[in-house]
Amino acid sequence: GAVVSQHPSWVICKSGTSVKIECRSLDFQATTMFWYRQFPKQSLMLMATSNEGSKATYEQGVEKDKFLINHASLTLSTLTVTSAHPEDSSFYICSAPARWGLGFYEQYFGPGTRLTVT
Amino acid sequence: QKEVEQDPGPLSVPEGAIVSLNCTYSNSAFQYFMWYRQYSRKGPELLMYTYSSGNKEDGRFTAQVDKSSKYISLFIRDSQPSDSATYLCAMDSGGSNYKLTFGKGTLLTVNP
Repeated sequence: GAVVSQHPSWVICKSGTSVKIECRSLDFQATTMFWYRQFPKQSLMLMATSNEGSKATYEQGVEKDKFLINHASLTLSTLTVTSAHPEDSSFYICSAPARWGLGFYEQYFGPGTRLTVT
Repeated sequence: QKEVEQDPGPLSVPEGAIVSLNCTYSNSAFQYFMWYRQYSRKGPELLMYTYSSGNKEDGRFTAQVDKSSKYISLFIRDSQPSDSATYLCAMDSGGSNYKLTFGKGTLLTVNP
């Protein structure tokens, strides 16, 4: 099956700094990718839809200026958490859909990035 | 009312037990139904997907969809400690936006 990677897998940063998380589709092209946030023992919360070559679409309540998304190529989307604060500490996961032939698509998830803001 | 309701559990069973996980939904436009398994601190992985109503079996796993009742289930037979994970149901209306609607997830622990 297809693979989605994320880098880094874990990052610790100081409050006030910015952190960039990369999401790559390794063996398929993804015009759309999704970014989720997950708190411990909770479900995935969709933050935004990343669209290649255009602006991201953010879910209600997600600060666009704080969570900057760039989808510069068909295999790479980045999420930058700007001026991070301890409350931004969370598990961030990306996903990308891949459609095989005329069949339904499968959503492939990255392994996640654990962000800890001190 | 949330679009997808899933009992978060947690659920603890002995090894070898039959496990039943369920989700209900309110959006009649949903046509594709998926179950994802997520191990701690990992990304979700697709376990089963079903189109419209019916049953689908894959080894020890059976997915059932009852669109008339807006109810889906995942059964795990002969559960193993390696099945211990969070199980998330997800649904899609089949549009072109690829956006999934997830349940809260059920944390399952299978005790040896």
